[in-house]
Amino acid sequence: DAGITQSPRHKVTETGTPVTLRCHQTENHRYMYWYRQDPGHGLRLIHYSYGVKDTDKGEVSDGYSVSRSKTEDFLLTLESATSSQTSVYFCATSVASGGADQETQYFGPGTRLLVL
Amino acid sequence: AQSVTQLDSHVSVSEGTPVLLRCNYSSSYSPSLFWYVQHPNKGLQLLLKYTSAATLVKGINGFEAEFKKSETSFHLTKPSAHMSDAAEYFCVVSEPNTGNQFYFGTGTSLTVIP
Repeated sequence: DAGITQSPRHKVTETGTPVTLRCHQTENHRYMYWYRQDPGHGLRLIHYSYGVKDTDKGEVSDGYSVSRSKTEDFLLTLESATSSQTSVYFCATSVASGGADQETQYFGPGTRLLVL
Repeated sequence: AQSVTQLDSHVSVSEGTPVLLRCNYSSSYSPSLFWYVQHPNKGLQLLLKYTSAATLVKGINGFEAEFKKSETSFHLTKPSAHMSDAAEYFCVVSEPNTGNQFYFGTGTSLTVIP
């Protein structure tokens, strides 16, 4: 398995506060992703990165921002947390870009966030 | 545009009986298709993937999936369920030239009855 860690693993916060989640990988994978997982929705892409300082929005990006200053770290920030952002957040990485053979995604263990 | 439909949100089987988890996809190009498994309170683990090679794909833990272009399906099967197979399963599609984006189905929860 790719070495992907997420921190914190659990967090409780209050509405209106900023929150930053960290994803760290040791595999030198080019692509990194942030997903949220909610019952009945599967995993939905928040943001992804295709290189250092190169990021793009996913389908549920409102209220979230990301940064990638180093290959190994991808940060997700909830600018002002709301109760609707209570979820489980997963980070993932992958190697290749484009082409006929898409590479596998490797997932971190997840972060459980509760916004009160 | 690509999308994935998992036809059953819950599947229940008896231990030792076959497992069938259904997945249909929509894609404009030749997609790559994946099945992931998620055990309770865990991350996602790759079971198998199809990337334009053999249409019958063998994965870990005795799982298989067959890519059927004419039916736009990629159903997951296992001949004999084990208690440890109880988990959430996700079908995922990806297309070339989409910036390495992956699209998830909503998941199928598999229960195995002893």
